[in-house]
Amino acid sequence: AQSVTQPDIHITVSEGASLELRCNYSYGATPYLFWYVQSPGQGLQLLLKYFSGDTLVQGIKGFEAEFKRSQSSFNLRKPSVHWSDAAEYFCAVGRGATNKLIFGTGTLLAVQP
Amino acid sequence: SAVISQKPSRDICQRGTSLTIQCQVDSQVTMMFWYRQQPGQSLTLIATANQGSEATYESGFVIDKFPISRPNLTFSTLTVSNMSPEDSSIYLCSVEEASRETQYFGPGTRLLVL
Repeated sequence: AQSVTQPDIHITVSEGASLELRCNYSYGATPYLFWYVQSPGQGLQLLLKYFSGDTLVQGIKGFEAEFKRSQSSFNLRKPSVHWSDAAEYFCAVGRGATNKLIFGTGTLLAVQP
Repeated sequence: SAVISQKPSRDICQRGTSLTIQCQVDSQVTMMFWYRQQPGQSLTLIATANQGSEATYESGFVIDKFPISRPNLTFSTLTVSNMSPEDSSIYLCSVEEASRETQYFGPGTRLLVL
């Protein structure tokens, strides 16, 4: 069955520290992979996506993610976190004509001053 | 990407009533979707809104409870019928532009049912 796992429900980092949010997926074929961010009281904003090609993808706001097929992972990284990055982050997988998305349970990021 | 708006942005409703949520896009899009995000939960796809035909519902969601319309390529509505407190959620529409294979989300409608 298709699924997305985000093992970390809640993460706290200090401002300026590096960040890595984990995402593992289960999918029958090569998936399309996405990271979205949801700030408090807001909708979802697309950070980045991976369809094919270079396994390291760059996104907005200084985020990047690396696709590792052997580990079925698509972890999100940022070298230096800003207080405004505090939000909930969702990993999603999809493929096909309708590209239905399956979302992970999300990781809530808190940033300490 | 397309600019997506939803109305209302939030509402408080009494149980047994119905609420219709509107989703408007500033350009024609091929696909429109409706999601539910229950408190503290992730997003679950309710249905795909098909232009000019009946929506395609996911398992666990039925047309009688969540009727959907999509009269054209820029507009869709989702109705939450005969509401109960369990329907308290954020309802989000998303769109997928032709050949982009990427979904963009509206700001969501925050619904509280008392």
